[in-house]
Amino acid sequence: GEDVEQSLFLSVREGDSSVINCTYTDSSSTYLYWYKQEPGAGLQLLTYIFSNMDMKQDQRLTVLLNKKDKHLSLRIADTQTGDSAIYFCAESIGENSGYALNFGKGTSLLVTP
Amino acid sequence: GAGVSQSPSNKVTEKGKDVELRCDPISGHTALYWYRQSLGQGLEFLIYFQGNSAPDKSGLPSDRFSAERTGGSVSTLTIQRTQQEDSAVYLCASSTPGQGLETQYFGPGTRLLVL
Repeated sequence: GEDVEQSLFLSVREGDSSVINCTYTDSSSTYLYWYKQEPGAGLQLLTYIFSNMDMKQDQRLTVLLNKKDKHLSLRIADTQTGDSAIYFCAESIGENSGYALNFGKGTSLLVTP
Repeated sequence: GAGVSQSPSNKVTEKGKDVELRCDPISGHTALYWYRQSLGQGLEFLIYFQGNSAPDKSGLPSDRFSAERTGGSVSTLTIQRTQQEDSAVYLCASSTPGQGLETQYFGPGTRLLVL
């Protein structure tokens, strides 16, 4: 599929906020997702947002969606060293693919003490 | 309950050999997906199964790649005449189909190295 774009690397200090940005391609995607991949572990769904929402908050996580610009962001408040991981933005490919996911290349988040 | 399991965890093979990768989805999940994660390409969708049928094989990179699913459960991804560019982590995921909200549960992956 077409590219979902993300910055590749982000470094923040413990306690600061992290913001990971993503530009997606398919305006018909009903849901947009953030997945997390920790070293040596599988992909886990972190959060998602329905396309008719512009914001979703879930504890330390805030997802912002700008449909006009096809821009998605993930904000992690009070970032901890345990948040160090690779974060993937994803959109649904479509019903014919069983809503398989089109992923960005991932943003490596490094949290330093 | 058990999550998605994949075997083997790691596979080293010689160029030209065939390999078979296995995925055991979560019990009761009718949808199954294969993805490939490689350094240059990130995460790519390969194929989707609904039950035993594969409505979408569009992501398979070449005719050397095939997959099947039997009994609506276990799936195998076969790569024939492996090439070095096939080296990657092959991920399997399963889900219960909904109306667009697909929480896909991923397995730990099979790391394939083709020498």
